Amino acid sequence: GENVEQHPSTLSVQEGDSAVIKCTYSDSASNYFPWYKQELGKRPQLIIDIRSNVGEKKDQRIAVTLNKTAKHFSLHITETQPEDSAVYFCAASYNNNDMRFGAGTRLTVKP
Amino acid sequence: EAGVAQSPRYKIIEKRQSVAFWCNPISGHATLYWYQQILGQGPKLLIQFQNNGVVDDSQLPKDRFSAERLKGVDSTLKIQPAKLEDSAVYLCASSNRQGSSYEQYFGPGTRLTVT
Repeated sequence: GENVEQHPSTLSVQEGDSAVIKCTYSDSASNYFPWYKQELGKRPQLIIDIRSNVGEKKDQRIAVTLNKTAKHFSLHITETQPEDSAVYFCAASYNNNDMRFGAGTRLTVKP
Repeated sequence: EAGVAQSPRYKIIEKRQSVAFWCNPISGHATLYWYQQILGQGPKLLIQFQNNGVVDDSQLPKDRFSAERLKGVDSTLKIQPAKLEDSAVYLCASSNRQGSSYEQYFGPGTRLTVT
C-alpha cells in the first residue's frame, strides 16, 4: 500500500515569513494529494488539494506543488499569521480511495 | 448543510470491554471512512465504504474491530475486546465526488480511552 512521509515534524517561523512542508509518497498510481489543517482538539479540515495532472495550485496565501516523477509534493504558506499555527497533514490516494496520511507537521507562527 | 455527526464524543472503558461508535455522514454522501488517530500521529484509515459496500479494510484489525453500514447511510464501528493501544480519537469522514471535488468532511471524532 501507499506510504507517505512528511517533513519536518515541527516548524517554527516568524509572523510574515513563509513556511514549507514537504511530503513524499511511494505508490506511483496515486493521483490525488490533499492537505489538511488540524487545530488542537478539532477535526481535520481540507485547505488545498492537487491532482496529478496539475503541477501547481494556488489559493491566496497557500500553494501546493507536485513533482510526479520524484513522487513528492509540498505545501507553501506565505505571509504566515498566528492563526496559521496548527498541525498540517499531507495525504495521498488513488481517486480518494485508501487515503494515507503523513505523520503531520506542527507549525508555530510567532507574533 | 449539516456536517458529519458522531457519538459519543468521549468514552472511557477498561481493557477487554467492548465499545461502539456511531457516525451519520452528510446527507447524500456515498463514501464513508473510519479513521483512527493516535495522539501525535496522522489519521489512519480503518475502513472505507461506498454506499453499503466495503471498498477498503486492509488496515482494520479484523480480530477485534468490525464496522457496518447496512443501509448505506449511517455506520457503526465496534471494538471487541478493547486493548490499551486502542486509545485514540476515532474520526468518521464522508465525501461525495461532485465535479472535481474529492473533499472528505470529518466529524468531531470520538475520543476513546482504554484503561
